[in-house]
Amino acid sequence: EIVMTQTPLSSPVTLGQPASISCRSTQSLVHSDGHTYLTWLQQRPGQPPRVLIYEISNRVSGVPDRFSGSGAGTEFTLKISRVEAEDVGVYYCMQAKQIPHTFGGGTTVEIK
Amino acid sequence: QLQLVEYGGGVVQPGRSLRLSCVASGFTFSDYSMHWVRQAAGKGLDWVAVISYHGVNKYYADSVKGRFTISRDNSENTLYLQMNSLRSEDTGVYYCARGPSADHWGQGTLITVSS
Repeated sequence: EIVMTQTPLSSPVTLGQPASISCRSTQSLVHSDGHTYLTWLQQRPGQPPRVLIYEISNRVSGVPDRFSGSGAGTEFTLKISRVEAEDVGVYYCMQAKQIPHTFGGGTTVEIK
Repeated sequence: QLQLVEYGGGVVQPGRSLRLSCVASGFTFSDYSMHWVRQAAGKGLDWVAVISYHGVNKYYADSVKGRFTISRDNSENTLYLQMNSLRSEDTGVYYCARGPSADHWGQGTLITVSS
């Protein structure tokens, strides 16, 4: 099983400042089809998860461009260029390269 | 507009069965694999199962293998999860998600397994 490890566990951020979340997998997430199935999700308090980024860096339609994803192989990063109040919540990475698909433990973004 | 809507949640006694549905719209359902993912209250996300676009290949988390069955009806744009021998630890919100990247999710349906 591929284990996904997110850091930090919690990220207190000042409004307007950047935030960065790391996700590390125990194996490369490059699939035999050439795609890298690494997805980032946001879950606001009391809301269902919402996908921000899929395949490392592809932003879902409607997601603000202050969210960006990068990385390769086993190391991935989600960046928020300028944190806004609506960005508060828990962020998860997920790998869909191998069964069972697995999630990181989550990173809580909160306002300082 | 792409939409996934789950149905079928409720309260069920341990050992009983329940079937969830996920109705898809706004995309060609038969082109995509589909996932079920669940979340217990206050906990993280837990992948449950995935089915290939044609319904032939199905894979499960060890925790549900032998009890849950994923299926789909491409003519009805609907994904299913048949849950048998339910346990208290199956309690949570169940989401369907579009594969392979799980790039779009539904709003979820709550399952409570309790006597």
